Amino acid sequence: GQSLEQPSEVTAVEGAIVQINCTYQTSGFYGLSWYQQHDGGAPTFLSYNALDGLEETGRFSSFLSRSDSYGYLLLQELQMKDSASYFCAVRRTGANNLFFGTGTRLTVIP
Amino acid sequence: KAGVTQTPRYLIKTRGQQVTLSCSPISGHRSVSWYQQTPGQGLQFLFEYFSETQRNKGNFPGRFSGRQFSNSRSEMNVSTLELGDSALYLCASSAGTGPYSPLHFGNGTRLTVT
Repeated sequence: GQSLEQPSEVTAVEGAIVQINCTYQTSGFYGLSWYQQHDGGAPTFLSYNALDGLEETGRFSSFLSRSDSYGYLLLQELQMKDSASYFCAVRRTGANNLFFGTGTRLTVIP
Repeated sequence: KAGVTQTPRYLIKTRGQQVTLSCSPISGHRSVSWYQQTPGQGLQFLFEYFSETQRNKGNFPGRFSGRQFSNSRSEMNVSTLELGDSALYLCASSAGTGPYSPLHFGNGTRLTVT
């Protein structure tokens, strides 16, 4: 089987830094992706980690450690518009679909 | 370039009926995937099509089916609707077939079964 576990909810203050974790149990996958979804909106792609390490894209960074079966999304200088749900996802080896994590609802407060 | 378009946005059906949802991918994208999103189960994979061929299917009953046309547009059909089929159905397209091919999602079709 496979699973991608995330905290269900996270609250953080505007301007702060928040880390959203993703722990997984899955055999063989190509890499870890992150998607953002605002209420009523479509999920949008944020980042992809093919290899272990840190990938930075503006205020967002994503990290992957295959040896620890763990990844995270780091959001810096939080803004109110960052309030959304965040999903990690993997594409298993030999599969053509993305398997999504349980999702984390981030609430940014003033 | 236009994004992924799903129609209709909202749909209300009664138990036992059937429904067809439509998805137009981004121009040039040949892969189309369908997901069911519910508060309790998150994003669940339904199926994926590439060049009119279903390449993967998720763990859903046979009442859920789909197809892709030669212009890459896709439809999914749910027959004999059940209350539990109430969900947001998301379609996503991608440009490539490799592991690093981000999905581009539409805004979804909100299906309510009464």
